[in-house]
Amino acid sequence: DSGVTQTPKHLITATGQRVTLRCSPRSGDLSVYWYQQSLDQGLQFLIQYYNGEERAKGNILERFSAQQFPDLHSELNLSSLELGDSALYFCASSAGFPGQSGANVLTFGAGSRLTVL
Amino acid sequence: AQSVTQPDIHITVSEGASLELRCNYSYGATPYLFWYVQSPGQGLQLLLKYFSGDTLVQGIKGFEAEFKRSQSSFNLRKPSVHWSDAAEYFCAVVVQGAQKLVFGQGTRLTINP
Repeated sequence: DSGVTQTPKHLITATGQRVTLRCSPRSGDLSVYWYQQSLDQGLQFLIQYYNGEERAKGNILERFSAQQFPDLHSELNLSSLELGDSALYFCASSAGFPGQSGANVLTFGAGSRLTVL
Repeated sequence: AQSVTQPDIHITVSEGASLELRCNYSYGATPYLFWYVQSPGQGLQLLLKYFSGDTLVQGIKGFEAEFKRSQSSFNLRKPSVHWSDAAEYFCAVVVQGAQKLVFGQGTRLTINP
């Protein structure tokens, strides 16, 4: 157990629907990262939050949004789902202020596997 | 463009044999360097990291990696693999001061008995 908790583990839904993925970071970690892993794109960075504030944005679609709450858990919202959104979504957390070396040591959760039919 | 390249998509080695997984990066400055391992159905686990100093880095599970600035490489090695090492291995880099890890495409390791 890495200490990073993601729910749900598996999710099957239909095109056009909206889902929410949840992540609880490791105790004491203030940064949360979201990554998407698919066969064709590999591991793609989506977005990062630090202590509730968005710090960096990657290849995140406009249909996707995220936030980090005061208790530091984070949610990734995926809407108007398409077949191509089927992927494994990872959350990771880290300690340290963004830009510091320690902030880049990520601890990953087990992932949420999304299947869009 | 900044990138991380793992030239080998799939490698098969026999149990007990030595292993080297390649990783090259293209960045202007020396980045922070990482190797992660992903077992089937699992998340990514950090094997080792390089920030500065000694260019030979020791990690968990008997792995080591060597940073070679002249070759822009950070290859992962293990002297004798075990069947439990079968997994996908990812090299990752982050430019100092930046805030996101960039991953290579991964190398899938298969172990023959």
